Amino acid sequence: DAGVTQSPTHLIKTRGQHVTLRCSPISGHKSVSWYQQVLGQGPQFIFQYYEKEERGRGNFPDRFSARQFPNYSSELNVNALLLGDSALYLCASSMTTGGSHNEQFFGPGTRLTVL
Amino acid sequence: QKEVEQNSGPLSVPEGAIASLNCTYSDRGSQSFFWYRQYSGKSPELIMFIYSNGDKEDGRFTAQLNKASQYVSLLIRDSQPSDSATYLCAFPSGSARQLTFGSGTQLTVLP
Repeated sequence: DAGVTQSPTHLIKTRGQHVTLRCSPISGHKSVSWYQQVLGQGPQFIFQYYEKEERGRGNFPDRFSARQFPNYSSELNVNALLLGDSALYLCASSMTTGGSHNEQFFGPGTRLTVL
Repeated sequence: QKEVEQNSGPLSVPEGAIASLNCTYSDRGSQSFFWYRQYSGKSPELIMFIYSNGDKEDGRFTAQLNKASQYVSLLIRDSQPSDSATYLCAFPSGSARQLTFGSGTQLTVLP
């Protein structure tokens, strides 16, 4: 079975541009979460979607937005890119949302570099 | 106070030794904890989860949870060079039970 897939794997953008990152969850999983990981830190939560609805939002500016499609895939959009947005963007897939035992499985990530 | 604290390391152990990784947390309501392994340049990989006080063993890995003292640990027995990675602890929090991560402990197993 395919795991979580993300595209693209690497991306180079310049300040002020926008970017769209894509994620497909594990088959049968209905929840997708997005995390940002900068070098030397643990992942930071950005968004969670379940059944196409936003279920949680982390402490990120409005330049960050996301959505989930009927097939449970998801997009993360970032507008007006800043140098500080350079990071590894991770998508995590889980069967449901909520609960304390809901395991999340990560995709390979998209490495975004903003110049 | 950070929600999750991990010793940043780096931690070095000789091959065959026991590696001990620790994590403390501030939310007394936390019910479960996850350990992820992250190789350099790769994404985190779930290796263990625990939600009951005590020990949980899976192969060479043992997770230990002490809710009264608010710490969780990961022991790696018979450490191998392939275990060299950053280990992240995380727990669900917030309305969506999203994961809150520590900053990770870098482990190096010396051959």
